[in-house]
Amino acid sequence: ETGVTQTPRHLVMGMTNKKSLKCEQHLGHNAMYWYKQSAKKPLELMFVYSLEERVENNSVPSRFSPECPNSSHLFLHLHTLQPEDSALYLCASSHQIQGTLYGYTFGSGTRLTVV
Amino acid sequence: SQQGEEDPQALSIQEGENATMNCSYKTSINNLQWYRQNSGRGLVHLILIRSNEREKHSGRLRVTLDTSKKSSSLLITASRAADTASYFCATDARSSASKIIFGSGTRLSIRP
Repeated sequence: ETGVTQTPRHLVMGMTNKKSLKCEQHLGHNAMYWYKQSAKKPLELMFVYSLEERVENNSVPSRFSPECPNSSHLFLHLHTLQPEDSALYLCASSHQIQGTLYGYTFGSGTRLTVV
Repeated sequence: SQQGEEDPQALSIQEGENATMNCSYKTSINNLQWYRQNSGRGLVHLILIRSNEREKHSGRLRVTLDTSKKSSSLLITASRAADTASYFCATDARSSASKIIFGSGTRLSIRP
């Protein structure tokens, strides 16, 4: 375990379902991230939360809705997804001091399949 | 875009040989990082090199950074089967230090 825990590890959902991905870290980091990794594509940054405030939303469709209730937890709420949303969703956390980033710690990811 | 681009996209070498991967980026950075990803898993942070550093070592890893050429290289010496993975470079921009952007990665295969 890296210190960043993602659940579930695998998720199969229909296009009309609503589900949530969960990420948890107890590393004392103050920034958390959602990335999407599709086959043969670079990692796509979806959302950035720094000190629990969303500071980045990379034009992600509204069917993805992030939530960061505290510095240790991050959620990604999913609804009415499309088959092309099938991918590995990775959560990461890091420590940011005065604008300087340190290495990211990643979770193992949630493999999402939309049917 | 400040996205790093790795070269080559795929590399296959014999166990025991050295593996060199390169990364180029476009904008000024605070630091550059290298990550490894085993198939279908999360990324593991390998090494971070700051913009004022030229070379860094960690075990069998050696990273260089040339800010004038906006490029970096990752050298893995005496490769092992367990080094088979995808390797990514990632950069953060001075203009937006709250995030890092990953390149497309180099897929490294070590033949026994």
